[in-house]
Amino acid sequence: SQTIHQWPATLVQPVGSPLSLECTVEGTSNPNLYWYRQAAGRGLQLLFYSVGIGQISSEVPQNLSASRPQDRQFILSSKKLLLSDSGFYLCAWSKGLAGYNEQFFGPGTRLTVL
Amino acid sequence: AQSVTQPDIHITVSEGASLELRCNYSYGATPYLFWYVQSPGQGLQLLLKYFSGDTLVQGIKGFEAEFKRSQSSFNLRKPSVHWSDAAEYFCAVGEGGGGSYIPTFGRGTSLIVHP
Repeated sequence: SQTIHQWPATLVQPVGSPLSLECTVEGTSNPNLYWYRQAAGRGLQLLFYSVGIGQISSEVPQNLSASRPQDRQFILSSKKLLLSDSGFYLCAWSKGLAGYNEQFFGPGTRLTVL
Repeated sequence: AQSVTQPDIHITVSEGASLELRCNYSYGATPYLFWYVQSPGQGLQLLLKYFSGDTLVQGIKGFEAEFKRSQSSFNLRKPSVHWSDAAEYFCAVGEGGGGSYIPTFGRGTSLIVHP
């Protein structure tokens, strides 16, 4: 069966510090990968998605970036965190390029920027 | 492009009462529709999905949803709510006909269950 992992689970970082969040998927190959952010009291905001190694699409211009160095690894990074980067970050995967494919979500990372 | 509206930000029900969470979508063709649930501090889990056929869809945890094309709705229902159903619920729509494979999510409805 497929599983998706995210780490760390929680993170407290000072403003201006770098960020690296990691997501890995097991039990499937060539998944579509996604990074979402949930701010308090808001819905899901799609940040990045990827259909293959090295292929990253950005939905929202910001100080975050994403990379996919391996087929089942997706990394979210920042060189300098802002207060507004605080939130709950979710990684997800899906198969295929059709609208009927469901997404499978990881457990999330709670990021607090102080 | 498609859009999803969940008109209720919060819903409060008593344990044992029935539940209906509303979802309205905007999409020109037949949509693919999903309901996800998110327990506090966790990721989202798929409850059920509609692709075609029977408009009443059964899901996990005793939930069901009905697709009504004439009303552009896909409301989620449960006949008797349990305290463990307290969570955030998201409706999502995917495009058919070769459109975008990335679903559009509603803003979510927070379900509060009173004992």
